[in-house]
Amino acid sequence: DTGVSQDPRHKITKRGQNVTFRCDPISEHNRLYWYRQTLGQGPEFLTYFQNEAQLEKSRLLSDRFSAERPKGSFSTLEIQRTEQGDSAMYLCASSWTVAKEETQYFGPGTRLLVL
Amino acid sequence: AQKVTQAQTEISVVEKEDVTLDCVYETRDTTYYLFWYKQPPSGELVFLIRRNSFDEQNEISGRYSWNFQKSTSSFNFTITASQVVDSAVYFCALSEALEAAGNKLTFGGGTRVLVKP
Repeated sequence: DTGVSQDPRHKITKRGQNVTFRCDPISEHNRLYWYRQTLGQGPEFLTYFQNEAQLEKSRLLSDRFSAERPKGSFSTLEIQRTEQGDSAMYLCASSWTVAKEETQYFGPGTRLLVL
Repeated sequence: AQKVTQAQTEISVVEKEDVTLDCVYETRDTTYYLFWYKQPPSGELVFLIRRNSFDEQNEISGRYSWNFQKSTSSFNFTITASQVVDSAVYFCALSEALEAAGNKLTFGGGTRVLVKP
């Protein structure tokens, strides 16, 4: 069973450009989460999907951020008009929920640097 | 609101020493889950343990052990006979158990462990 994969692993972009990240969850996992981690801090929740439905968004997710999970499989996170403050590690996690027991398994992350 | 505090930002030990990482949490929920994750220099968060709020039994897995004390809202983690490969940042995390709302994790700030040979 392969783990969660993310692409790209690293992205350098100029301020104002758009970027898109992809996450492939563990197969058959019904939930997918996005987190953001800045240097020296713990990850912070951004949004999550139950199958293809986006059920919750953090207030950290400004209008410039959008996430999708078409067909309930892979997910994309797009940041429009990037700002230097968007520089961070973007982590994806997936889980299979049974009753209320759930463990999230994380991918290797996409490290974004906005110049 | 939920909160997780890891007061120790960095701990340095010599190989074979024991190291204990503290985690204190705040939640209004009666049902919740606690987690520990390891983040090595590669960046990927590695799941170590999940514990639900009704299970206060301590747990041991190899050189790792966890002490959950609901009375003090703490979920501490001990590495016995540390090894260089244990060098990483360790995160404690908390989630509610509200299925409809999703079990988003609230993380502490992490404790960096440096094990010197």
